[in-house]
Amino acid sequence: DAKTTQPPSMDCAEGRAANLPCNHSTISGNEYVYWYRQIHSQGPQYIIHGLKNNETNEMASLIITEDRKSSTLILPHATLRDTAVYYCIVRSNTGKLIFGQGTTLQVKP
Amino acid sequence: GAVVSQHPSWVICKSGTSVKIECRSLDFQATTMFWYRQFPKQSLMLMATSNEGSKATYEQGVEKDKFLINHASLTLSTLTVTSAHPEDSSFYICSAITGDSSYNEQFFGPGTRLTVL
Repeated sequence: DAKTTQPPSMDCAEGRAANLPCNHSTISGNEYVYWYRQIHSQGPQYIIHGLKNNETNEMASLIITEDRKSSTLILPHATLRDTAVYYCIVRSNTGKLIFGQGTTLQVKP
Repeated sequence: GAVVSQHPSWVICKSGTSVKIECRSLDFQATTMFWYRQFPKQSLMLMATSNEGSKATYEQGVEKDKFLINHASLTLSTLTVTSAHPEDSSFYICSAITGDSSYNEQFFGPGTRLTVL
């Protein structure tokens, strides 16, 4: 499974957009990019996923570069409840999700 | 989204005893479930893949005789930590894939915190 690289931590002001980057330069053609988040002492929560097109749902937007070597998760209007560890994961056809260290997003008032 | 439950949510046991953790998909059938372990301030580590009706597949370095996994039905997988020791204290999380395609969404349970005294 392809590895991902994320910054260990980021801050964001409440109400502003949070842009979380992820590098996955070794991703192969049939591997999806998934984003999950984990609030302290809870199970991970699914956010969004994509293959090559940009995706948007009620939680976030996912922007994938044309070469698919990187992506950005966008939370359009961050709230204090969005404070969590965000994981970018490249998922292969085995279905496994291999978690990296993620980005700890701190939303500040 | 689909709901995955775990029971118990927390457990404290004495060293040397065995502990069973249940993972249930409440509103869908899950051919495949996964078990993870998470130590404080660390990321989730995949332990094993549990397939209904067949033996679990363990990740490298995970002792299959210590962490017994049974996936007896399409809605239930159990993880038994045998002869638990303090170093087994951790947050155990399961997940389940909806349907039978590995590309289907994967939903996580709330986790079980195990403390071994």
